[in-house]
Amino acid sequence: DIQMTQSPSTLSASVGDRVTITCRASQSFSNWLAWYQQKPGKAPKLLIYQASSLVGGVPSRFSGSGSGTEFTLTISSLQPDDFATYYCQQYSSYSTFGQGTKVEIK
Amino acid sequence: EVQLLDSGGGLVQSGESLRLSCVASGFTLSRYAMSWVRQAPGKGLEWVSAISGSVINTYYADSVKGRFTISRDSSKNTLYLVMNNLRAEDTAVYYCAKVFDSGPPTITIFGVVYPRIAPFDYWGQGTLVTVSS
Repeated sequence: DIQMTQSPSTLSASVGDRVTITCRASQSFSNWLAWYQQKPGKAPKLLIYQASSLVGGVPSRFSGSGSGTEFTLTISSLQPDDFATYYCQQYSSYSTFGQGTKVEIK
Repeated sequence: EVQLLDSGGGLVQSGESLRLSCVASGFTLSRYAMSWVRQAPGKGLEWVSAISGSVINTYYADSVKGRFTISRDSSKNTLYLVMNNLRAEDTAVYYCAKVFDSGPPTITIFGVVYPRIAPFDYWGQGTLVTVSS
């Protein structure tokens, strides 16, 4: 099974900050990786698929990059609506999620 | 408009069974791979099971293999998850989720062909399963 490790677990930031979240895989799998945003009590929302493709309607301040075993999600200028928990997900062999990164207000 | 409506959760004793349902609207469920994903209280997301779109193949996480069964009823456009021999560690909110229709149907990694069962573009609202020991 492919294990996904996200870092950091918690990130404190201010509105306007540039934020980067990293996801590392236990083995290489090209770019079959997605990123989700989840707010308390709600289902996750798909932001990015195939490592760097933005889902329609998702603000362009979100971007993804990486391939192989290391991937990043970047929010170029953090907005009030972006404070949430973010998960990476590999889907090259079935599916595995990272443990999540909570982005909180500094 | 695509919608998924989860139901069937509740409080059960360890060893008992439960059946979850996910009624789909706005699309034909049998044309898409569908999954169940769970989230224990205060914890992260865990993929549980998937069923492929065209040909009925089913897949399970090791943690539920042999105890859970995923199925669908095309006439009712409904996805199911039958959970047997429930354990305290199965306590979670269970979501049904639809595969995002962008990408190949299979992925080959190190010569092994896997079904593409994710990512998920639509999710149900979740149904809480609590297993008391």
